[in-house]
Amino acid sequence: EAQVTQNPRYLITVTGKKLTVTCSQNMNHEYMSWYRQDPGLGLRQIYYSMNVEVTDKGDVPEGYKVSRKEKRNFPLILESPSPNQTSLYFCASSLTGSSGNTIYFGEGSWLTVV
Amino acid sequence: AQSVTQPDIHITVSEGASLELRCNYSYGATPYLFWYVQSPGQGLQLLLKYFSGDTLVQGIKGFEAEFKRSQSSFNLRKPSVHWSDAAEYFCAVGARSGGTSYGKLTFGQGTILTVHP
Repeated sequence: EAQVTQNPRYLITVTGKKLTVTCSQNMNHEYMSWYRQDPGLGLRQIYYSMNVEVTDKGDVPEGYKVSRKEKRNFPLILESPSPNQTSLYFCASSLTGSSGNTIYFGEGSWLTVV
Repeated sequence: AQSVTQPDIHITVSEGASLELRCNYSYGATPYLFWYVQSPGQGLQLLLKYFSGDTLVQGIKGFEAEFKRSQSSFNLRKPSVHWSDAAEYFCAVGARSGGTSYGKLTFGQGTILTVHP
């Protein structure tokens, strides 16, 4: 079954404690990205990756890091989380970067920073 | 840069009534257009998409959307709403060509739908 899997699904953490949200896809997709969802703002892209070792900033990259060492994995790293990073995070993947490809979203990760 | 506006933050309808959710986009050419639905506590589900051809697009759960180039709109409609349609709805656009927007979906702010029995 085609899947984008995110972990953890729910997390409460404290300010400044580094955390990683993992994302894995089983479809051999080249393109992966991270979005955050905030009330009244919809979803905004944080980072994206066109392929292994190729990553770039999206619209709201401040405070986040990513890496793409393997095709299937695209972890989101919060080096020093702050309360304004409390949000719902979605990982997405597609065959290539064309929006004409089907985009698969993960189930979402609820992150609370206190 | 592409952008999407959903003018209605919250809409309330009675069960069985018709529904129209508005979406306006800004893009230099004809974009790819999408509608997603998010039920409370759930992820995103694709309702329908427009790539080209017939401007009236049919989707799942009885939804349809009409692309109107002259109005830069892609409104979502359903003739008879069910209580299970209560959710948040997002309109999104995707770029057809390369550049900084390639691969990115730009989402509207979302419209929360409440359905009264």
